[in-house]
Order: sequence, then structure tokens, then C-alpha cells
Amino acid sequence: DTGVSQDPRHKITKRGQNVTFRCDPISEHNRLYWYRQTLGQGPEFLTYFQNEAQLEKSRLLSDRFSAERPKGSFSTLEIQRTEQGDSAMYLCASSSGTSRTGSYNEQFFGPGTRLTVL
Amino acid sequence: RKEVEQDPGPFNVPEGATVAFNCTYSNSASQSFFWYRQDCRKEPKLLMSVYSSGNEDGRFTAQLNRASQYISLLIRDSKLSDSATYLCVVTGGGNKLTFGTGTQLKVEL
Repeated sequence: DTGVSQDPRHKITKRGQNVTFRCDPISEHNRLYWYRQTLGQGPEFLTYFQNEAQLEKSRLLSDRFSAERPKGSFSTLEIQRTEQGDSAMYLCASSSGTSRTGSYNEQFFGPGTRLTVL
Repeated sequence: RKEVEQDPGPFNVPEGATVAFNCTYSNSASQSFFWYRQDCRKEPKLLMSVYSSGNEDGRFTAQLNRASQYISLLIRDSKLSDSATYLCVVTGGGNKLTFGTGTQLKVEL
């Protein structure tokens, strides 16, 4: 399967614990995005990387959240001291970046990691 | 006010019906517009891009009105397999996607 993969698919944790999620983008894609989706809502942007550089972070990304993409390939999203409000689906997407014409390049989403904080 | 607003539905329609979804966006600087489809407990997938000139893909027609900041999706001859949540999406050119809450469609026999 050459699509975006995420691990784990499900994570149940107790409040106050730290969790880390991994995303493996489509191999030739240089842009990687993290989104969060809660029940009944559309996905909300968290952050994105171009290669290893983190270029934008949402105000939703509190200081308990950190994302890395050290070698410009896979990415990790860590949540420290989890809270019940962190329960959501965390989606990763990748794209090949902006074309020379400036047109949009489709973002392909992974299956997501569903986090439940008890 | 949300950046992208949609009626959450659900829209319950019989098979073969025509159904239309609407969406409004608040940022007049938005540059690209899309409809994504999301099946229950699955990831969103691009359904189609939306252009001012309108575009059609089989039974699906999308339209953009920049002056009114309004996007529409029309599904003709709806099938059971069209049951899903349809997400209106805009981007300001930086590739960051801004999603609406989604409109749920249920096509029934």
C-alpha cells in the first residue's frame, strides 16, 4: 500500500499521560499536514511541514503539543499531559507541494489515529 | 463565525433523487475550493475541485460564486453508495485546508 499510513490506529490513555503518533506520508511528497477532527466537526488544521521545516502552526496547537519531521520523511505528533478534551481523530495528510503554476496539489489523508483520553 | 459554514443535515433522500448542498465561506481571499467526501470512520477523500465556471463529473456538479462567497454541490440520480458526509473545503493558497462541519447525506431505498 503506497498511501499515507498512521500508527497506531487507536490509542486509549489516561488523563495526564503522554502519547505519540506517527505518520508516514506518500514517499515522494514533501509536504505533510496534521489535522484534528472531533465528532460532528470537520477536520481542523494543526500544523504542516515542508520537508523537515515546520512552516505553520495553528493556535489550536497548545504548548502541550509538539510535532517533528526530523528527516523530512515520517512525522511524529506528541501530546503531553493529555486532557479529556484532546480526545479526537488525528489525521495526517501529505501532498507534493505547490506546482510551478501555483495550483493546488491534492492532499491525501491517512486513516487517522483515534485518541480516547479517559 | 466559522470560516466555512454548511448545513449539517442529515439529508435523507430516496434513491434516484437529486440533492443539493450549499456552503458559504467568510474569507474573501480564499483561492481554491473543493468538496471532500468522508465515509463513516474513514478519512476524507477529494471528490472534486470547484471553479467559477462550474465543473461536472458524472452525476456531480459543483459551482462557485465568488461574489456571494458561496459554493454548491449537486448530486443527480443519487445512489445508496453516495451516503456519506460531504465536506466543503477552502484554502487561501498556502495549502492549509479549512473544512466546514460537513453535510450528512443518507440515500434510502
